[in-house]
Amino acid sequence: DTAVSQTPKYLVTQMGNDKSIKCEQNLGHDTMYWYKQDSKKFLKIMFSYNNKELIINETVPNRFSPKSPDKAHLNLHINSLELGDSAVYFCASSQGGGTGTSPLHFGNGTRLTVT
Amino acid sequence: AQSVTQPDIHITVSEGASLELRCNYSYGATPYLFWYVQSPGQGLQLLLKYFSGDTLVQGIKGFEAEFKRSQSSFNLRKPSVHWSDAAEYFCAVGAGDYKLSFGAGTTVTVRA
Repeated sequence: DTAVSQTPKYLVTQMGNDKSIKCEQNLGHDTMYWYKQDSKKFLKIMFSYNNKELIINETVPNRFSPKSPDKAHLNLHINSLELGDSAVYFCASSQGGGTGTSPLHFGNGTRLTVT
Repeated sequence: AQSVTQPDIHITVSEGASLELRCNYSYGATPYLFWYVQSPGQGLQLLLKYFSGDTLVQGIKGFEAEFKRSQSSFNLRKPSVHWSDAAEYFCAVGAGDYKLSFGAGTTVTVRA
């Protein structure tokens, strides 16, 4: 009965590779997000989707491409991975995120390590 | 744009002692404020939220927070901490633009 699930939990890969992270929510929410947590635990939004439409792209390199096939899924594909991409990536969802009143429900994160 | 400052990077508290975590926000209108907790290797869990009304908000796990508009603060408190409260705590502000902006977090260590 996991609310927001993302896979894989750990991802170790080499520079230059392409990888994907998948996220699914079963809460019926209409807004989904990707956040990046760096080594100092700072959380920064990357993307926000509302009803499958991209709402926020927060100056993320175009090597990162989110895709939302439906409201319940938001995947993240990363091309040509770099050392600086190493971080924990969190998927989250909310209902009516545009109002700013809706709390986010987070997945458990994907720890990406680029060697 | 909205922003959040958590002045304390790390707090150590004895089990059974009280805890207060500071949060200051910057936003021109009425903010929507949240506190989240992150246990090691886990995602973030919502502790409590403030939208309007009573400025003292009760949350889960015995936490409460008080909104003070005059001080632009939303401090989190717990009267008596348990060892399981050791975690990372994040304050966040929402401004109606499809994102929450998070503070840098405060690490809480609980000593026996």
